[in-house]
Amino acid sequence: DAKTTQPPSMDCAEGRAANLPCNHSTISGNEYVYWYRQIHSQGPQYIIHGLKNNETNEMASLIITEDRKSSTLILPHATLRDTAVYYCIVRVASGSARQLTFGSGTQLTVLP
Amino acid sequence: DSGVTQTPKHLITATGQRVTLRCSPRSGDLSVYWYQQSLDQGLQFLIQYYNGEERAKGNILERFSAQQFPDLHSELNLSSLELGDSALYFCASSPRQGWTYEQYFGPGTRLTVT
Repeated sequence: DAKTTQPPSMDCAEGRAANLPCNHSTISGNEYVYWYRQIHSQGPQYIIHGLKNNETNEMASLIITEDRKSSTLILPHATLRDTAVYYCIVRVASGSARQLTFGSGTQLTVLP
Repeated sequence: DSGVTQTPKHLITATGQRVTLRCSPRSGDLSVYWYQQSLDQGLQFLIQYYNGEERAKGNILERFSAQQFPDLHSELNLSSLELGDSALYFCASSPRQGWTYEQYFGPGTRLTVT
């Protein structure tokens, strides 16, 4: 699986958009980008995933660059409840072994 | 609520003891994963079961074992416990079909070994 690089921490003002970057320069053509978050000591929560097209769901948007070497998770209107560690994970979409490899993630703090 | 349940929520035990953690996946999910989260190691994959069969193994110690039962619930057995086994243990399940890999995590079991 491709290695990812994320900033260790970020702050965002409540109500503003939170843009969380992730670098995955060694990503392969068959690897998806997944985002999860973990609110303090709770189980990680799936947010969104994508291959090469931009994706949007009720929680967030995922923007993947054309060369797929980086991506940005966008929380359009951050709230205090979005304070969490955000993990960017790159994973192949094949095979029955589907474990996730979590890195250190980005601690997002939403400030009032 | 992810739909994945884990019991117990908290567990305090002594070194050398054995404990069993239980996980019930979301309805219809055939895959169950176990992860360990400790302060110094972060979230680490331990083992995956799919429809009763072991599918992948991660950094799981020989003192640890798991199984998935016909009703698809899973148990993680930890034996000869050491202080370093104190951690949060998460179970996750994933949908039975499709190429995507979203996993749904339970609330975790906090194990404290004294």
